[in-house]
This record gives sequence, structure tokens and C-alpha cells, in this order.
Amino acid sequence: DAGITQSPRHKVTETGTPVTLRCHQTENHRYMYWYRQDPGHGLRLIHYSYGVKDTDKGEVSDGYSVSRSKTEDFLLTLESATSSQTSVYFCAITRDPSNSPLHFGNGTRLTVT
Amino acid sequence: GDSVTQMEGPVTLSEEAFLTINCTYTATGYPSLFWYVQYPGEGLQLLLKATKADDKGSNKGFEATYRKETTSFHLEKGSVQVSDSAVYFCALSGTDKLIFGTGTRLQVFP
Repeated sequence: DAGITQSPRHKVTETGTPVTLRCHQTENHRYMYWYRQDPGHGLRLIHYSYGVKDTDKGEVSDGYSVSRSKTEDFLLTLESATSSQTSVYFCAITRDPSNSPLHFGNGTRLTVT
Repeated sequence: GDSVTQMEGPVTLSEEAFLTINCTYTATGYPSLFWYVQYPGEGLQLLLKATKADDKGSNKGFEATYRKETTSFHLEKGSVQVSDSAVYFCALSGTDKLIFGTGTRLQVFP
């Protein structure tokens, strides 16, 4: 299995608080992604990174920011959590998205009350 | 923009039945196509892929053929098992990222 770890696995937080989710990889892959999974919507891309300090927005980036200061870590931050951000968040990594598989973490279940 | 459309679920089958899950796509250029599977409580994992027109991807008895003329990549299996119960996602490779369909839940009963 690809070495990818998400933390925390579960989190409950209150509306308006900041939250940071961490994705850590040991594969030295260039590409890292944050998706959210919601019933009826499948997987939607939030942000992704194609290298250290190189990031771009996905289709649902509002309310989220990311940082990648080193190859192995990709952080997702909710600056001020809202109930609509209650979801399961998945991190994924790959060497080459056009040809190599994405390897997914086991997800972080976030509940915003 | 690029997009993937999958059939709505859930798909409910008896063990040993034939499975088809439809997937069509819209894309500029010549993307690679993928099927991913998600078992309960887990992240997605690659099931099979095809990188060019007329390629057939296969794995664990599942197959899908990249049809450029119909822009489709339908997933098939001749005889499903209870252990195949999961959510299946079709995806295509965009620029620097994968674009996923909404997923199709498969439920197989003994």
C-alpha cells in the first residue's frame, strides 16, 4: 500500500473555528489532492498541488486554503468552519495523474456543529 | 469543461448475475479513463484503467473498453459476488488532476 496518512481521522468542531487537516506521504510523489465526499455529489476536488509551494484550486475551493511547504505534507485549512463543510475529506497522491493511479488515504470525517 | 456521467444507483443484483455500470465522458483531447472502487470505510482504490481508444482494462473479473466513438467506458463483470458490493467511480484524467463521476453503489445479495 502507498504510504499516505491522514490526520485526524475524526473531528468535531464548532461553527466559526479554524480547522486544519493533514495529509502525509512517504512516496515522494509530486501530486497531492484534497477531495470531499458527500452523498449525491461523489468526489469533488477542493485543491491540489503539483509540487512544493505549487497549488491550484479545484471545483469547490471556496472556504478552504492549502499549503505545501515540503513534498511529504499537504495541509487543508478551513479558516472558519461552517456546517456546509461537514463531510468526509480524502487526500490522494500520484506520480502522474494522466497515467499512474491515485492512492487515497482513509479519509477524515469532519463534523461542524 | 471535462466531465464524467455515471448511471444512478444503487444497482441491486443477486450473486452470479451480470453487471454493467454505464459511464460516459466529455473531454477535449485524449484522456486516460479509470474505474475506482470504494469499500465501506475505506478510500478509493484503482480497479482498472485504459489509456487510449479501444484499450480494454481488466482486473478481478471486471472489464471496461475505452470507446472513443461513443465516449463511453462501461464497467462489466460476468458474475458478481457478494464481496463486490461497493461504490464504483468512473474517472478521466484532466490537466494535472482526475475528474470523477458521482459514483454508483452496487449491492449484491446471496
